[in-house]
Amino acid sequence: GAVVSQHPSWVICKSGTSVKIECRSLDFQATTMFWYRQFPKQSLMLMATSNEGSKATYEQGVEKDKFLINHASLTLSTLTVTSAHPEDSSFYICSARDGGAGGSEQYFGPGTRLTVT
Amino acid sequence: TQLLEQSPQFLSIQEGENLTVYCNSSSVFSSLQWYRQEPGEGPVLLVTVVTGGEVKKLKRLTFQFGDARKDSSLHITAAQPGDTGLYLCAGAPSNDYKLSFGAGTTVTVRA
Repeated sequence: GAVVSQHPSWVICKSGTSVKIECRSLDFQATTMFWYRQFPKQSLMLMATSNEGSKATYEQGVEKDKFLINHASLTLSTLTVTSAHPEDSSFYICSARDGGAGGSEQYFGPGTRLTVT
Repeated sequence: TQLLEQSPQFLSIQEGENLTVYCNSSSVFSSLQWYRQEPGEGPVLLVTVVTGGEVKKLKRLTFQFGDARKDSSLHITAAQPGDTGLYLCAGAPSNDYKLSFGAGTTVTVRA
């Protein structure tokens, strides 16, 4: 149980284009999903909290117009990196909280490696 | 400054040796989680500790939660190369379920 998938697992795009990353909870309903960014050999940095049916809450320093988050259903959240630049290249990981379980545990997707050329 | 201070940052040991990773904070947490992450993959939840003083065992891994619920430790007995990875502690200091992560400990077990 508690499986989270991400698609794509890796993507290469040209500077100036937009990229959409999907995060799905496969066997539970996730009222809350989280998007993280991770640089090599570093810990996870929370970018935003995504709540189903409402606007995402962004962490300080994260541009909401650049990183568009949509949480249209209880099993799907998407992150769109708009007008991507090489500095946006990173490992993006989503997680989902199983609201039915009542705890703070988050289950993570396998991550998406974004490379902007 | 990070809410959760993890140490050491790097650990390289020989197969069969023991190791301990520490996670400390000045804040009280209702629970702490430990995750293990391999390169190119997402973190995998190992355990959640909830009660002060709690000890949980997962095969050769032993997790402790401090009495005051401000710190935790992960001890691996007779480490194996398969234990290699990035170990992360995390906790939600408030009721919004946002996890705060430690900086991580990169463990390398040499065969």
